[in-house]
Amino acid sequence: DAKTTQPNSMESNEEEPVHLPCNHSTISGTDYIHWYRQLPSQGPEYVIHGLTSNVNNRMASLAIAEDRKSSTLILHRATLRDAAVYYCIRVGSGNTGKLIFGQGTTLQVKP
Amino acid sequence: DAGVTQSPTHLIKTRGQQVTLRCSPISGHKSVSWYQQVLGQGPQFIFQYYEKEERGRGNFPDRFSARQFPNYSSELNVNALLLGDSALYLCASSLGPGLDTYNEQFFGPGTRLTVL
Repeated sequence: DAKTTQPNSMESNEEEPVHLPCNHSTISGTDYIHWYRQLPSQGPEYVIHGLTSNVNNRMASLAIAEDRKSSTLILHRATLRDAAVYYCIRVGSGNTGKLIFGQGTTLQVKP
Repeated sequence: DAGVTQSPTHLIKTRGQQVTLRCSPISGHKSVSWYQQVLGQGPQFIFQYYEKEERGRGNFPDRFSARQFPNYSSELNVNALLLGDSALYLCASSLGPGLDTYNEQFFGPGTRLTVL
């Protein structure tokens, strides 16, 4: 199975930036890094993905290390609604629609 | 546009019974995947169907089966229910079979199954 390692939990204050780390030291050259999050009582939702370059979208930014063995999801200004479990997932070439979820990082946002 | 829909929302069954869960993908999406999420854990992949054919299967017993219909909706069937089958069952759809190409899976709200 494609392994990633994330801290079990993190805390942030509202309106401050949050950096969620992910280690994927055995990543292959064609593996993408995807991030999903799951808000309480909801299904997971896609956040962002990338291969080598840093990526930005309306929800977050993804910073990928030059050696690709780690990445960081950046929420620029955390809100209470960002409290969720965040999953970092490797997606390989030829993927058959299978996402391998780990335990993820539970993010708490304090007002 | 409607997202992924699942029915029923909640379900209570007893051991040994059979259950069928239903999923309607986003319009235009041809791939449906099923996941099981036990309380406190991340979702675990069960099946993927694309164009009515099984494209992937996770490490689940043969009691679990699924199918996809011509309109791309899908059913997950679980026979001979065990207490350990109690979980949130999630359905996800995407445009095509490969997430390396089609990027996103869109998840439904899930069906909460309780086995007594």
